[in-house]
Amino acid sequence: DAKTTQPPSMDCAEGRAANLPCNHSTISGNEYVYWYRQIHSQGPQYIIHGLKNNETNEMASLIITEDRKSSTLILPHATLRDTAVYYCIVNLWSNFGNEKLTFGTGTRLTIIP
Amino acid sequence: NAGVTQTPKFRILKIGQSMTLQCTQDMNHNYMYWYRQDPGMGLKLIYYSVGAGITDKGEVPNGYNVSRSTTEDFPLRLELAAPSQTSVYFCASSKGVAGNEQFFGPGTRLTVL
Repeated sequence: DAKTTQPPSMDCAEGRAANLPCNHSTISGNEYVYWYRQIHSQGPQYIIHGLKNNETNEMASLIITEDRKSSTLILPHATLRDTAVYYCIVNLWSNFGNEKLTFGTGTRLTIIP
Repeated sequence: NAGVTQTPKFRILKIGQSMTLQCTQDMNHNYMYWYRQDPGMGLKLIYYSVGAGITDKGEVPNGYNVSRSTTEDFPLRLELAAPSQTSVYFCASSKGVAGNEQFFGPGTRLTVL
């Protein structure tokens, strides 16, 4: 599986858009980009995923560069409840499913009031 | 739906003792996973299962055993507990469809003294 590189920490003002970058320069053509977050000591929570195209859901937007070597997770209007560790994961979908999720140390996002 | 439930929430073991961490999901998911998370680190996959009766090793399986006799339950057995197994354990499940997300339980915090 490809590795990812994320900044260890970021701050964002409440109400502003939070843009979290992720580098995955060795990603292969059939690997997905997933984003999860972990609030305090809770179990991780799925946010969004994509393969080639940009994606948007009720929580966030995912922008993947054309060469797929990097991506950005966008939280459009950050709130204090978005303070969490955000994990960018590149995963190869195999015949046996997505059992190979590899969590790095992520980005600790702090929303500032 | 309760989602993914785990028991117990906390446990202290003495070195050499054994215990079973329970995990149950009510979403009829075929795929289930066990992860451990050490302080300040990301999650590491211990074991996973793609259906009842089928299990396989993840990244860090040593010292653990699993079984999957039903779709709903995926217990994790610790034999001869060691201080290195002090960690937070998360169970997760997913439908097993390409790109599908994993749903995580609240975790079990285990301390081995």
